[in-house]
Amino acid sequence: AQSVSQHNHHVILSEAASLELGCNYSYGGTVNLFWYVQYPGQHLQLLLKYFSGDPLVKGIKGFEAEFIKSKFSFNLRKPSVQWSDTAEYFCAVRSGTYKYIFGTGTRLKVLA
Amino acid sequence: DVKVTQSSRYLVKRTGEKVFLECVQDMDHENMFWYRQDPGLGLRLIYFSYDVKMKEKGDIPEGYSVSREKKERFSLILESASTNQTSMYLCASSSIGVGINEAFFGQGTRLTVV
Repeated sequence: AQSVSQHNHHVILSEAASLELGCNYSYGGTVNLFWYVQYPGQHLQLLLKYFSGDPLVKGIKGFEAEFIKSKFSFNLRKPSVQWSDTAEYFCAVRSGTYKYIFGTGTRLKVLA
Repeated sequence: DVKVTQSSRYLVKRTGEKVFLECVQDMDHENMFWYRQDPGLGLRLIYFSYDVKMKEKGDIPEGYSVSREKKERFSLILESASTNQTSMYLCASSSIGVGINEAFFGQGTRLTVV
């Protein structure tokens, strides 16, 4: 079965620290890859997405992600986090036309 | 902007009640989804629909059914609510076709079954 693994369940960082959240998926075919963010009390929002082309994808709010096909990975990065980045982050893969499969999420807390 | 609207933010229901969760999207999307979100488990797909009156089971369909009579509306039904169905329920929609089609989410319905 297709699956998405997020290795870090809880991450605590100080402001200005660098962030990297891991994501691995199991599907071997063509995939669309996504990172979503859920700020406290808000709905899930798209941070960035990848389908093909440049494996380094830039998203909103200074986030980026790198697709490494050989490692089935799509890690999320940000050079310098802010207190406002405190949220839960979800990696997702879409296989075929319909289904989106999500990871278990990573709760990020940024200390001011 | 794409809008996915869920009918309730919070619901409290009694065990054994039949519960309807409604979702409407305004972007003419073909696909609609129901997920439940639980701490530590992420989002798990309950059902999805790729067209009117068409539906497919997701990963955790037991205890749930769905209805899609109109393209813009997708309902989740708990036939007989149980306490283990207390959760956050998220509706989403997406388009099909070429390109990167992300899912757009509603604000969620937090259901408590007592």
